Amino acid sequence: DQQVKQNSPSLSVQEGRISILNCDYTNSMFDYFLWYKKYPAEGPTFLISISSIKDKNEDGRFTVFLNKSAKHLSLHIVPSQPGDSAVYFCGGGTSYGKLTFGQGTILTVHP
Amino acid sequence: KAGVTQTPRYLIKTRGQQVTLSCSPISGHRSVSWYQQTPGQGLQFLFEYFSETQRNKGNFPGRFSGRQFSNSRSEMNVSTLELGDSALYLCASSLTGITNEKLFFGSGTQLSVL
Repeated sequence: DQQVKQNSPSLSVQEGRISILNCDYTNSMFDYFLWYKKYPAEGPTFLISISSIKDKNEDGRFTVFLNKSAKHLSLHIVPSQPGDSAVYFCGGGTSYGKLTFGQGTILTVHP
Repeated sequence: KAGVTQTPRYLIKTRGQQVTLSCSPISGHRSVSWYQQTPGQGLQFLFEYFSETQRNKGNFPGRFSGRQFSNSRSEMNVSTLELGDSALYLCASSLTGITNEKLFFGSGTQLSVL
């Protein structure tokens, strides 16, 4: 049972344009959502998060939007840079210790 | 502050063997989680330990087990290895394991089962 789904395995964007990565979840009990970024041969690193009481959270070039009624999460990167090329995982969870992640989206930003 | 350390970095095993992976969390972190990364399934949660107790478990067969020691270091064991167990195994630590804490991941152990 895949509670978090990232339906786009890959995304290709031109440098300077917007990257939009999408994520859907099924568990209505999730009250916290986040995005992690992973470069090859490294572990994932935290990027940005959002609580279910909010619908938007910004951190520099990164903005996460949450639509609870649609059970949909998106990450916007503006402007996109070649160094943003990585695998992006969205995740959701409740309470303690168990975060459920999606399958990941490979973002490639072309110079 | 040292990051999360996972050993070994690479492992090659054959079907039927067993394997033990090790994880040293960031100093002061008491929660350790394990994830399996495969190309099709993404990051799948295996289990989480806090103060030597397994607090959460994912949907993996009993061949996958783990433990945590009093110094918060954790080990993960996979018995009777199958070809499908080939994956990157990631360990992550956090202070207490509450969901809104950042997870700090190690670089992982790449397991290949032949």
